[in-house]
Amino acid sequence: NAGVTQTPKFRVLKTGQSMTLLCAQDMNHEYMYWYRQDPGMGLRLIHYSVGEGTTAKGEVPDGYNVSRLKKQNFLLGLESAAPSQTSVYFCATVSGTSVYEQYFGPGTRLTVT
Amino acid sequence: LAKTTQPISMDSYEGQEVNITCSHNNIATNDYITWYQQFPSQGPRFIIQGYKTKVTNEVASLFIPADRKSSTLSLPRVSLSDTAVYYCLVGDFYMSGAGSYQLTFGKGTKLSVIP
Repeated sequence: NAGVTQTPKFRVLKTGQSMTLLCAQDMNHEYMYWYRQDPGMGLRLIHYSVGEGTTAKGEVPDGYNVSRLKKQNFLLGLESAAPSQTSVYFCATVSGTSVYEQYFGPGTRLTVT
Repeated sequence: LAKTTQPISMDSYEGQEVNITCSHNNIATNDYITWYQQFPSQGPRFIIQGYKTKVTNEVASLFIPADRKSSTLSLPRVSLSDTAVYYCLVGDFYMSGAGSYQLTFGKGTKLSVIP
């Protein structure tokens, strides 16, 4: 039981390049979230999904797209990376009907130069 | 969502009890109070949640006064491994009715435990 995993762990991109971050979970949880965390800041919600085939915008969705084609996977895409997207990205999942207890992945550290 | 205010940082010696207070003056009737812990280079981890009075688990205690405008996370006999950032979150996290699908993390309180 791996819980929540994120791929890759680290990545360096040049401005304008694209990439996809993968979040995978084996807990059969319905809800999945993508957050970003900048130095000295709390987490900010980018996008989330309340079930397979559904996505919704969070607090800071601009510059990102997401897809939830399979229940166990939640993809975060950057179509044209910008230095402002340098951050640590966390994925989280939730089961049941309450979102207060979220299970976080280990994070992906992304640097855009 | 209710706005929360907590100290930016705190220092404590090993073995002491640490109390971190969070203010949430505009907490709503359906709101719960939740605390998370985040170690460096890791994702946050749920610690405890409560609605009123006192909640205790194997990690911490949560004290909530009758007016619910503040809450205190209490960590007994801290060790160096408790050095982390602690986040206080307030909101209606249950999806029945007008509940929110979202958690809002502020900047948290950075706790440093000193040997």
